[in-house]
Amino acid sequence: AQSVAQPEDQVNVAEGNPLTVKCTYSVSGNPYLFWYVQYPNRGLQFLLKYITGDNLVKGSYGFEAEFNKSQTSFHLKKPSALVSDSALYFCAVITNAGKSTFGDGTTLTVKP
Amino acid sequence: NAGVTQTPKFRILKIGQSMTLQCAQDMNHNYMYWYRQDPGMGLKLIYYSVGAGITDKGEVPNGYNVSRSTTEDFPLRLELAAPSQTSVYFCASTTRGPNEKLFFGSGTQLSVL
Repeated sequence: AQSVAQPEDQVNVAEGNPLTVKCTYSVSGNPYLFWYVQYPNRGLQFLLKYITGDNLVKGSYGFEAEFNKSQTSFHLKKPSALVSDSALYFCAVITNAGKSTFGDGTTLTVKP
Repeated sequence: NAGVTQTPKFRILKIGQSMTLQCAQDMNHNYMYWYRQDPGMGLKLIYYSVGAGITDKGEVPNGYNVSRSTTEDFPLRLELAAPSQTSVYFCASTTRGPNEKLFFGSGTQLSVL
């Protein structure tokens, strides 16, 4: 069975500092990995994805993620956090068969 | 484009009642999904479909049924509603394959009392 773990329920950073939101996964075969963001009372919005190729993936709003196959990780990063980045972030894995699994989410709070 | 449209936005049910949550997309997407999101938790996959006439169970299918008679529509049926089904339900779709990003509807907030 596939699974996604986001080990931190909450991440707090100061504005202007770098941020990392962690994600590890377990799946058979080669996964498709995604990050989504959810603002209050809204549906999820796509940030970035890893399918194949370069291990460093760049996405929306200055976010990037690093795929590490040996550690089965896909951590989300941003060099300089903004207060407006405060939201709920989800890591997801989807298999070739179309089945998706989301992590439980990490609440990111960026303080001025 | 409307994208993914979910109706209703809010609903209160009594225990034992039934209802259908509607989901429609106008992007000609083959893959469609139903998720539930409990307060403070992540998304749990209920059912998914890779095309018209094809559906499969996700992580938490008990108490729900789906059908996919057309590419556009993927309704979720709740039979004999229970308080444990109180949640926010999201429908999502994607294009030709699972390596494409999901487009989400705005959600249906359901309370079973």
